[in-house]
Amino acid sequence: QMQLVQSGAEVKKPGSSVRVSCKASGGSFSRDAVSWVRQAPGQGLEWMGGFTPILRTPTYAQKFQGRLTIAVDESTNTAYMELSTLRSEDTAVYYCARWVQAGNHWFDPWGQGTLVTVSS
Amino acid sequence: SYVVTQPPSVSVAPGKTARITCGGNNIGSKGVHWYQQKPGQAPVLVIYYDTDRPSGIPERFSGSNSGNTATLTISRVEAGDEADYYCQVWDNSGDLVVFGGGTKLTFL
Repeated sequence: QMQLVQSGAEVKKPGSSVRVSCKASGGSFSRDAVSWVRQAPGQGLEWMGGFTPILRTPTYAQKFQGRLTIAVDESTNTAYMELSTLRSEDTAVYYCARWVQAGNHWFDPWGQGTLVTVSS
Repeated sequence: SYVVTQPPSVSVAPGKTARITCGGNNIGSKGVHWYQQKPGQAPVLVIYYDTDRPSGIPERFSGSNSGNTATLTISRVEAGDEADYYCQVWDNSGDLVVFGGGTKLTFL
């Protein structure tokens, strides 16, 4: 059973960048795709993008193009999400999840989430 | 881009059946997946590919999808089922992954 453990909470200034990590155990990012989903306080889930090992390339939601970088380090079985030019609206809990691609696409399991607070 | 719509809230009496809908244009032609999220916790997959249950999810959870509506059905609702529920589809045009706005399941 794959488990995903994310890095700890972050507080960032507007205009800066944040990097969140997601370490897998019981599975491998060299075989399984990974996605990032965020949830602003009191709001719903928002897909940001993901990384597919077969394509060895990231895919980003249009909203985050140019500001988001998703990468995978296969040697440490860790995925990373970096979001730049942060603004207050980026305050959210960020989740990584295994991106199951089997004719259709869904997410299972999820990491525990990382709270990113953007505040001056 | 594709849009899916959920009711903001559904209320049910304990022990009864709850039905949570997810509407979208011809959603019956897409696979729909459902997640349960309890306060302060990460989402958990409860139904994938319209009707399939991951291991460990009770048989009380079931799904259906036809026409313009997908439905998550929870039979014999228990206190632990109170949570937010999100539907999700894959749309290979536009932004690829679409989540519904979520439905809060509460007890009457």
